[in-house]
This record gives sequence, structure tokens and C-alpha cells, in this order.
Amino acid sequence: DTAVSQTPKYLVTQMGNDKSIKCEQNLGHDTMYWYKQDSKKFLKIMFSYNNKELIINETVPNRFSPKSPDKAHLNLHINSLELGDSAVYFCASSQDRGQGLYEQYFGPGTRLTVT
Amino acid sequence: AQSVAQPEDQVNVAEGNPLTVKCTYSVSGNPYLFWYVQYPNRGLQFLLKYITGDNLVKGSYGFEAEFNKSQTSFHLKKPSALVSDSALYFCAVRASHTGGFKTIFGAGTRLFVKA
Repeated sequence: DTAVSQTPKYLVTQMGNDKSIKCEQNLGHDTMYWYKQDSKKFLKIMFSYNNKELIINETVPNRFSPKSPDKAHLNLHINSLELGDSAVYFCASSQDRGQGLYEQYFGPGTRLTVT
Repeated sequence: AQSVAQPEDQVNVAEGNPLTVKCTYSVSGNPYLFWYVQYPNRGLQFLLKYITGDNLVKGSYGFEAEFNKSQTSFHLKKPSALVSDSALYFCAVRASHTGGFKTIFGAGTRLFVKA
């Protein structure tokens, strides 16, 4: 039983294209996140949604747009892909409701390569 | 500024020996601290957390961590390392954010356990 799943696992695309990454969690959590992990393994939060409401929006280019159709899903759409967008993107979920007290459960990651 | 530091990029230890992975933090208010582990090509997995109570926190896979308020540290420890413990370890801390809190991660420490 996969708790947090992401599709696709690998994504290779050319500069300028638009792509989406999907995330689903079956843990019943209210909060979901998108993180970017670069080639040096630094992990940085991009967005956080609580019950479909955006609560964290870090300094991320407007080309990145999250969408949460329901609290079990959080998708990430990226427009006009650039070379610097190449990274591993992780989705996570938590029973946290903005207090930062609860651990997060991470998906397996999506490795995005922009050529 | 709120931050979390992992001063060692890499820790090497022989199997059967005790291991320590260091973490220090700087936050305003009460510190809420977490440790996660990342195996190759996988998402992060939660190990343990300190919210309040005993300074020694026990977690998954035989790991424990000691919270030291005066030294602002939260070092991860294990009495006897296994080769299978080799992975990337992240310390994380709750940090205040506009409208709530977010989790910030350290840069990670790679642990190598040699047989």
C-alpha cells in the first residue's frame, strides 16, 4: 500500500516544454507539500497546501503552479521548462495543519531532466 | 535567521561501532526537531522527532537523538552501526513562516558504514 505516490518517476523533456507531476496520498492527511532536491541533495520547500488551500508559497518562479483538486492530491505544473529546473521533486504529506509538529511522509520522487 | 546546520558532509564508521551525526539549530521560540533518512533513489523517511519532554528521543531502526537546549543541538546516535544504515541523513527544524510554520532541512550528512 503506497502511502504517497508520484507519477511519473522519471521525466525527460526539452527546454520550453510544459509538464506536470502528479501526487496522491492515501493517509488521510490534510497537508501536502512539494519539495525540490537539487544535485547537491539540498532540499527546499516550494509549496504547501492545507485542505486545498495554499499556505506556503516560497520564492518560486511563476512558471511553477501547484493545483490541489482535493486534499488527497497535489499536482505540480511547470511551464516553459529551463535547464535549471532539472532536479528531483518530492511530494510529501502530513497530518500537520500548519503548526509544524508532525512528521512528513515523502513520495518516491520524480527525477526531472531538462535538455 | 532561522537555520539548521549539519557540520559534517560525511561520517565514516565501522560496523558495530557507535555513530553520531551532528545537528545544530537556530530558531525563535521552542525548537521542534526532526531526523529523516534518505536511501538512494528514495524519498525521505521519518526517523524521530523532539517536541517536548525527555531530551533523549528514541526512533526507528535503533536510532536515538539527544536534545541539548544549551548547545542548541540535536545529534543523532546509534550504539552499534550496521552496513545497512549507510544513507543520507537530514536534520530538520520547525521555523516560523508567514501565517504559520514550515520545516527547514539541513544540507544532509552522508553516513558510510564499513563492514
